[in-house]
Amino acid sequence: AQSVTQLDSQVPVFEEAPVELRCNYSSSVSVYLFWYVQYPNQGLQLLLKYLSGSTLVKGINGFEAEFNKSQTSFHLRKPSVHISDTAEYFCAVSYANTGRRALTFGSGTRLQVQP
Amino acid sequence: DVKVTQSSRYLVKRTGEKVFLECVQDMDHENMFWYRQDPGLGLRLIYFSYDVKMKEKGDIPEGYSVSREKKERFSLILESASTNQTSMYLCASSSRTGNEKLFFGSGTQLSVL
Repeated sequence: AQSVTQLDSQVPVFEEAPVELRCNYSSSVSVYLFWYVQYPNQGLQLLLKYLSGSTLVKGINGFEAEFNKSQTSFHLRKPSVHISDTAEYFCAVSYANTGRRALTFGSGTRLQVQP
Repeated sequence: DVKVTQSSRYLVKRTGEKVFLECVQDMDHENMFWYRQDPGLGLRLIYFSYDVKMKEKGDIPEGYSVSREKKERFSLILESASTNQTSMYLCASSSRTGNEKLFFGSGTQLSVL
């Protein structure tokens, strides 16, 4: 079975500082990887995804993530955060090349950007 | 834009009541999902459906059932609500050929007293 671990439940950071949100997954088969963001009192929206190809994936709002197969990781990064990036971020995984389209989510990381 | 609409934003029910949570999507998506979101646990999959009248159990199906009689509508049913089912419920949909992207509704916060 697949699973996702987000190592940090909360990440406080000052505005304009860089940030990395960590995500590790476990699966014995090929996977697709995702980051979703949930702004306060809003629904989840897709930030970026890795399906195949280049291991460095760029998403919306200046975020990027790198797929590292040997370390089974998909960490999310931004070189300079804004107050508006304050939100909860969820890493998710699904099986590749199968009929199962349901995502398995991590427990989430709350990013708190301080002025 | 794809729209996934959940019928209620907030719902308060009593223990033992039968509860229906409704979800409608307007983009002709084949796949629909029900998750619950709890602090510190993230999103956990309850049930999903790949097609009309088709359903599959997710990771935490106990105490829930679902119905998909029409392609655009996916209902979650709590046969006898219990306090441990107090949670935020999220519906999502995706296209079978749509590069795996899920579209989420805004959620229903259910409180069972």
